[in-house]
Amino acid sequence: AQKITQTQPGMFVQEKEAVTLDCTYDTSDPSYGLFWYKQPSSGEMIFLIYQGSYDQQNATEGRYSLNFQKARKSANLVISASQLGDSAMYFCAMRDEGAGGTSYGKLTFGQGTILTVHP
Amino acid sequence: DAGVTQSPTHLIKTRGQQVTLRCSPISGHKSVSWYQQVLGQGPQFIFQYYEKEERGRGNFPDRFSAQQFSDYHSELNMSSLELGDSALYFCASSLASRAEAFFGQGTRLTVV
Repeated sequence: AQKITQTQPGMFVQEKEAVTLDCTYDTSDPSYGLFWYKQPSSGEMIFLIYQGSYDQQNATEGRYSLNFQKARKSANLVISASQLGDSAMYFCAMRDEGAGGTSYGKLTFGQGTILTVHP
Repeated sequence: DAGVTQSPTHLIKTRGQQVTLRCSPISGHKSVSWYQQVLGQGPQFIFQYYEKEERGRGNFPDRFSAQQFSDYHSELNMSSLELGDSALYFCASSLASRAEAFFGQGTRLTVV
């Protein structure tokens, strides 16, 4: 079974500074994908970044980067130059992407980390 | 380009009633998944459909059912509603099973 652990219930960061949100995962599947989503107080789930387990390089999307350490089973999100609008709940998720997987396409989410950006 | 659209955005139902939620995926996306998010938790997987076939089912009672139609839109149906079904329901669409998954804005269901 897949499991995502986000150990930081809440994080605080000063505007314009960088912040790292932790995510560790557990899976026996050789092929999987890792995701980060942002959920503002308005409730929508905003896709931030995706990393495939066989991708050689860490994924980056603008100010977001995913620090993927396969041996440690970690997929931390790094937000550079934080902005006030980054204040939100952040979820790490993973998906089995093996052809023979029974959890075809299913995303498993962590409990989330609430990020607060201070001016 | 239109993103994933869900309807309705909010609804209130009485215990025992039935409800149908609708999801239109991003144009060209053939995979649709449904998730339930109760307050304070991460979303929980309910169903996944790809090319109109059910490809995955989460740990939800048989009162929950879904289908995907020829234009790839999907409907989630819940019967005999219970108070515990009150939650935010999301659908997500992907181009394929190994691609980014984009979520709709969600439907907030309140059961009274």
